[in-house]
Amino acid sequence: EVQLVESGGGLVQPGGSLRLSCAASGFTFSSYWMSWVRQAPGKGLEWVANIKQDGSEKYYVDSVKGRFTISRDNAKNSLYLQMNSLRAEDTAVYYCARALVVVVAATGWFDPWGQGTLVTVSS
Amino acid sequence: SYVLTQPPSVSVAPGKTARITCGGNNIGSKSVHWYQQKPGQAPVLVIYYDSDRPSGIPERFSGSNSGNTATLTISRVEAGDEADYYCQVWDSSSDHPGVFGTGTKVTVL
Repeated sequence: EVQLVESGGGLVQPGGSLRLSCAASGFTFSSYWMSWVRQAPGKGLEWVANIKQDGSEKYYVDSVKGRFTISRDNAKNSLYLQMNSLRAEDTAVYYCARALVVVVAATGWFDPWGQGTLVTVSS
Repeated sequence: SYVLTQPPSVSVAPGKTARITCGGNNIGSKSVHWYQQKPGQAPVLVIYYDSDRPSGIPERFSGSNSGNTATLTISRVEAGDEADYYCQVWDSSSDHPGVFGTGTKVTVL
């Protein structure tokens, strides 16, 4: 069974840092793009970042560029999101998702998703 | 960046058909994917490549895409279909390719 399990969320003060982790199982982790998607309380889904299979390409939504870093460890089947200089507007449930990217078709989608981890930025 | 617009809400009686639209500039030239999210749960893929269904998704869920509008259709709606639905495209021309629609709350009357 394909499974993604996030951890590392919690309460952090504005300006603080947090590192999210996502443990993958049930598929060949090193063969897939991976992504982080977040959802602020009562709001819609917002894509945050993508990372290519070998980590050679990374993409970020503008609002987190320079503050967040996506990374992966294929030997440990794990995805990470290092979040620095956190702001109140970063408060959200953060989901880890496998990205099915079809380069020749210039498309991609997210399946499956983890259960999410809540990050709260507040003083 | 690319923008996807959905109606905030759609109401439908049990057994009827719900149609959820997703508007975007020339969206018909892109592949559209759809997710269902029930309260307190993670999103679940229900349609990919405009109209393909992942295994385990009922045939009642179907999709289409043309011009400036993509549509998710839920036939013979059941109470369990009540959820938020999001469309998504991959904007390969951008350095932030993941784009989600604004989301639609489907209420079963």
